[in-house]
Amino acid sequence: ETGVTQTPRHLVMGMTNKKSLKCEQHLGHNAMYWYKQSAKKPLELMFVYNFKEQTENNSVPSRFSPECPNSSHLFLHLHTLQPEDSALYLCASSQEGSGFTGELFFGEGSRLTVL
Amino acid sequence: SQQGEEDPQALSIQEGENATMNCSYKTSINNLQWYRQNSGRGLVHLILIRSNEREKHSGRLRVTLDTSKKSSSLLITASRAADTASYFCATEETSGSRLTFGEGTQLTVNP
Repeated sequence: ETGVTQTPRHLVMGMTNKKSLKCEQHLGHNAMYWYKQSAKKPLELMFVYNFKEQTENNSVPSRFSPECPNSSHLFLHLHTLQPEDSALYLCASSQEGSGFTGELFFGEGSRLTVL
Repeated sequence: SQQGEEDPQALSIQEGENATMNCSYKTSINNLQWYRQNSGRGLVHLILIRSNEREKHSGRLRVTLDTSKKSSSLLITASRAADTASYFCATEETSGSRLTFGEGTQLTVNP
């Protein structure tokens, strides 16, 4: 147990569906992240939230919509996805300092398949 | 091109042998971190080495950092089948950008 919980672990959706991924951290960290992991590619940082405020959006398509209602919860809302969006989506948290990311604690990931 | 690149991409060894993985990066860094990922699972932090450190140990792990060569190595001694996983390096650049991960080394330890 890393203290970061992701649900669901597996998700299959059609291109017209709307679904959400959920992440919860029990570590008291101030920052939360969404990463995308595709086969044979480095982890891609998608979004960063610090104290509920979005501090980074790495040119992610608008069909991915993050939400951070508080510093312990992070959602990724999905709509009208494409098959190439199939990947493992990883949530992470850390205790950020001034200009310092620190050690990331990852959840187990949500394996998304878009048909 | 990416910041961190691991070498080799894949490594297969026998139990009891040592495994060495290398990471090269391009820009100045505050720290470099190594993570492990079992198939289909999340990443687990192994060790962080700061730019002013040259070597760090944690159990069977030994990490070195050479900032003049912009490279790091991860040594796993007396490997076990349970060490089979992908290993990633991640760099935190002095520019303040977020952690950047490499593509990883797939380590297979045969019993």
